Amino acid sequence: GEDVEQSLFLSVREGDSSVINCTYTDSSSTYLYWYKQEPGAGLQLLTYIFSNMDMKQDQRLTVLLNKKDKHLSLRIADTQTGDSAIYFCAERRISSGSARQLTFGSGTQLTVLP
Amino acid sequence: SAVISQKPSRDICQRGTSLTIQCQVDSQVTMMFWYRQQPGQSLTLIATANQGSEATYESGFVIDKFPISRPNLTFSTLTVSNMSPEDSSIYLCSVDGGLGTIYFGEGSWLTVV
Repeated sequence: GEDVEQSLFLSVREGDSSVINCTYTDSSSTYLYWYKQEPGAGLQLLTYIFSNMDMKQDQRLTVLLNKKDKHLSLRIADTQTGDSAIYFCAERRISSGSARQLTFGSGTQLTVLP
Repeated sequence: SAVISQKPSRDICQRGTSLTIQCQVDSQVTMMFWYRQQPGQSLTLIATANQGSEATYESGFVIDKFPISRPNLTFSTLTVSNMSPEDSSIYLCSVDGGLGTIYFGEGSWLTVV
């Protein structure tokens, strides 16, 4: 995960918006993903974006992709206590041996305060 | 979306023993992957499970330690051999669901004592 970077922690108040940021290094990435991991659970695919897009919205989730800066963000509107979890950014690279494997960031622990 | 079932979900194992983890998918998929997530860490790809051929291992992982089977397009197993406490991790099965999607199972949480 050293080529995909995320900040480790984020705290927000319930009802506010959360923005989780991610930077990556490989310009040949085809898809970029956001996964959510709650305590004791596996990874839930939240959303993903194809590299030729710059924005994708899905209900409370908005993904922004800046290919020039290799920057990806996930905005969660009206953050709820149930959104508290670890959020992983991941990229899929054409240049890797398997074009379909993912490289993950370190994960951002989102804490939602009442 | 693909529904992925892993067994066991959790286990406590004695060092020196081996454990086989099963991954069952509810649809036929071409690509299946096995990842490891060590405590408090991110995910690392162990290998790609290829149907009808040997698995493709990533750097740092070898077949003798992590033998993989892929007998058909809906099933795979990962064995963690001769376990030590350093193998205590979550092992996750993943599939390429098509159209850009990649799904994960709930993971198998192994503790080696």
